[in-house]
Amino acid sequence: DGGITQSPKYLFRKEGQNVTLSCEQNLNHDAMYWYRQDPGQGLRLIYYSQIVNDFQKGDIAEGYSVSREKKESFPLTVTSAQKNPTAFYLCASSPQVTSGRRGEQYFGPGTRLTVT
Amino acid sequence: AQSVTQLDSQVPVFEEAPVELRCNYSSSVSVYLFWYVQYPNQGLQLLLKYLSGSTLVKGINGFEAEFNKSQTSFHLRKPSVHISDTAEYFCAVSQDTGTASKLTFGTGTRLQVTL
Repeated sequence: DGGITQSPKYLFRKEGQNVTLSCEQNLNHDAMYWYRQDPGQGLRLIYYSQIVNDFQKGDIAEGYSVSREKKESFPLTVTSAQKNPTAFYLCASSPQVTSGRRGEQYFGPGTRLTVT
Repeated sequence: AQSVTQLDSQVPVFEEAPVELRCNYSSSVSVYLFWYVQYPNQGLQLLLKYLSGSTLVKGINGFEAEFNKSQTSFHLRKPSVHISDTAEYFCAVSQDTGTASKLTFGTGTRLQVTL
């Protein structure tokens, strides 16, 4: 089955530690995205990547970093500089923007990060 | 800049009753609109989309939405809800950026269906 996997489902870290969230897709999609979800705030875009070795900042990139060394993988690192890292993180991918598939994003199950 | 407003943060409804979840948007370019659904502790799933053509679009699970350009709205409706429709619903607008299709989401509406 094709899809997006995120691991782990729950992650606990101490304040001041960097942590990396995994995202893998086998849908052969070029574009991948990371979102942060907080109660009552919807989804906010952290970073996105259109192709291997290329990525752009989203609306709330401060305190986060990403890499895209392989088409299938787009890991997100939450650094100690992120002031409020506790949240639900969602990874997504999308097929090429053709006339019929614009806006279609496929989401992973998410990782809930708790930092204390 | 694009934005999406979902005025209702929560909508309680009885099973088999009709429901409407409201969404208003603002965009300075061509509009592509979407509804996504999120079941508890899961990722999002595409419910339906409007790209062009007929303003009434049908999606999965019996949902439909109507694009109204003059009112800048894209409200989601279902004539008879089921307990299994309990979830959070997000309206979104799309902006193409090269090969990526960025989405701007609203803050979500939690639909709570009870017996």
